[in-house]
Amino acid sequence: DAGVIQSPRHEVTEMGQEVTLRCKPISGHNSLFWYRQTMMRGLELLIYFNNNVPIDDSGMPEDRFSAKMPNASFSTLKIQPSEPRDSAVYFCASSPLASSYNEQFFGPGTRLTVL
Amino acid sequence: GQQVMQIPQYQHVQEGEDFTTYCNSSTTLSNIQWYKQRPGGHPVFLIQLVKSGEVKKQKRLTFQFGEAKKNSSLHITATQTTDVGTYFCAGIPKTSYDKVIFGPGTSLSVIP
Repeated sequence: DAGVIQSPRHEVTEMGQEVTLRCKPISGHNSLFWYRQTMMRGLELLIYFNNNVPIDDSGMPEDRFSAKMPNASFSTLKIQPSEPRDSAVYFCASSPLASSYNEQFFGPGTRLTVL
Repeated sequence: GQQVMQIPQYQHVQEGEDFTTYCNSSTTLSNIQWYKQRPGGHPVFLIQLVKSGEVKKQKRLTFQFGEAKKNSSLHITATQTTDVGTYFCAGIPKTSYDKVIFGPGTSLSVIP
């Protein structure tokens, strides 16, 4: 099993540019989560999907952030336009059932730097 | 809002000493999970506790869930350098069956 796959692993961009982060969950997992991690704010849940449907996006910072899950094997998190304060490590995680009663498997993360 | 707190934020111990991190929730939890994140790595699931008063052990690690299901602890006996990392508790509130709330984590340093 390849685990959760995220790309790119590192992204450096300039303020105002669009950034797209990608995630492939573990095959068969029904839930997918996007997190942001910074020193100041720790690990924050941005949004999660159950069976490809967004359930709770209350953690999405503002309208510049959007996430999609067009099918069970792919999700994107987009930031448009990006700002320096968006610099962080973004993790995608998947879980085997449509519930968080099971463990979450985290991907390696995407380290985003916005200059 | 619902919050999960952890103390201490940082802990430095001499190798061989014990270590404990405490997790407290502002609301009653359905269950609680613990994760470990090595420096530069990603969180990795350690364990899940479901029952009130539950105690589980994994080698030198002991996990406990409070009777009121609002607090939890992780105790490491005789720390080793491989224990270095940040330990997160993650609670699922009884009123929100899907949403996991992570604590801020306790960063453990082990001095050889």
